[in-house]
Amino acid sequence: KQEVTQIPAALSVPEGENLVLNCSFTDSAIYNLQWFRQDPGKGLTSLLLIQSSQREQTSGRLNASLDKSSGRSTLYIAASQPGDSATYLCAVRENTGFQKLVFGTGTRLLVSP
Amino acid sequence: GAVVSQHPSRVICKSGTSVKIECRSLDFQATTMFWYRQFPKQSLMLMATSNEGSKATYEQGVEKDKFLINHASLTLSTLTVTSAHPEDSSFYICSARIIITGNTEAFFGQGTRLTVV
Repeated sequence: KQEVTQIPAALSVPEGENLVLNCSFTDSAIYNLQWFRQDPGKGLTSLLLIQSSQREQTSGRLNASLDKSSGRSTLYIAASQPGDSATYLCAVRENTGFQKLVFGTGTRLLVSP
Repeated sequence: GAVVSQHPSRVICKSGTSVKIECRSLDFQATTMFWYRQFPKQSLMLMATSNEGSKATYEQGVEKDKFLINHASLTLSTLTVTSAHPEDSSFYICSARIIITGNTEAFFGQGTRLTVV
């Protein structure tokens, strides 16, 4: 059974810092991996999607990497801003059946002005 | 990206009543939608997979008679919480699976905060 873990569970940084969020998964046979952002009481916003054959994806100040063989992904946020404060979730998509998403435990990020 | 609309965003109901939550894909057809439940400060737990025109597939431990799912069209799936109790109070989120040129991606609704009093 696929298990997805995110470290750290919570992170508090001053504005302007670069930071790295970590995601690990137990079964490397994934279809793709997606990073999401969730604001309190809201749904999920997709940030980046990395196919299993890809190593990284970039969007603006965000960069996500994937090392499928070791079961790891990182989300790098450059020059953090208070507006980046949210919970970040990574999710791996199964390779078979309905291609369900299995979510990580999340990292709650707080960026202080 | 694709848009998934979930309604209502908040609902308060009395114990013993039923509540229906709608999930619509606005600009694409979704043969498969997923329903999740999220407890405070926890991650999303998949409840069931909804397929257009067939019965939903429920995850282990999820009562199918309690959480009725209907996927009547390619753009609409509904979750009905029957005979709701306070322990059913939670945040429910739907997502739609979209496949574009062989790539599969998920888009999520805004979520529904259910409070049973």
